[in-house]
Amino acid sequence: QVQLQESGPGLVKPSQTLSLTCTVSGDSISSGNHYWSWIRQPPGKGLEWIGYTYYSGITYYNPSLKGRVTISVDTSKNQFSLKVSSVTAADTAVYYCARDGSHGDNDYWGQGNLVTVSS
Amino acid sequence: QSALTQPASVSGSPGQSITISCTGTSSDVGGYNHVSWYQQHPGKAPKLMIYDVSNRPSGISNRFSGSKSANTASLTISGLQADDEADYYCSSYATSWVVFGGGTKLTVL
Repeated sequence: QVQLQESGPGLVKPSQTLSLTCTVSGDSISSGNHYWSWIRQPPGKGLEWIGYTYYSGITYYNPSLKGRVTISVDTSKNQFSLKVSSVTAADTAVYYCARDGSHGDNDYWGQGNLVTVSS
Repeated sequence: QSALTQPASVSGSPGQSITISCTGTSSDVGGYNHVSWYQQHPGKAPKLMIYDVSNRPSGISNRFSGSKSANTASLTISGLQADDEADYYCSSYATSWVVFGGGTKLTVL
């Protein structure tokens, strides 16, 4: 059974960098069969695609977030990570990691990690 | 890079059918057969219901179906059940990135 689990701090101060890691079990990132996504959802609002990565390290980002977002992959640990720099209150959201078939079809999701940006 | 357009809410009675629309542009919905639909219950992660416009993942009821015409995709749920009450989101591939719709709240009356 494929499982994804987000981990990271639940509180980040404004202007700092938000960092999250997604640990994958039941599948191997290095198999190259899927892309690995980050998606977020502000409280009471809709879903926003952040970006995804492939086992090779190639990444694609939401143009509206490009410049502040970095997604990286560590195949040795079967993990991938998200960094969002210069955060503001608008970055407060539940952050999900997910497995993507390559065109936005995310079939397995983590449970979500609420990150609050506040001083 | 605008979100896809969905109605804010739809409703239907048990046993009825409803359709949720998802309107984009020729750069996303109209340009690719890579539209997905997700169901999200409160406090839960989204669940993939439809991918590549009309394909159902294993285990998804055939009461859920998808289609597309030009720049608008649609999700139809037939034989509405109480547990179908949830938020529904469409998404589309759009040349190296993915765009979501704003979401539709389905109420089963």
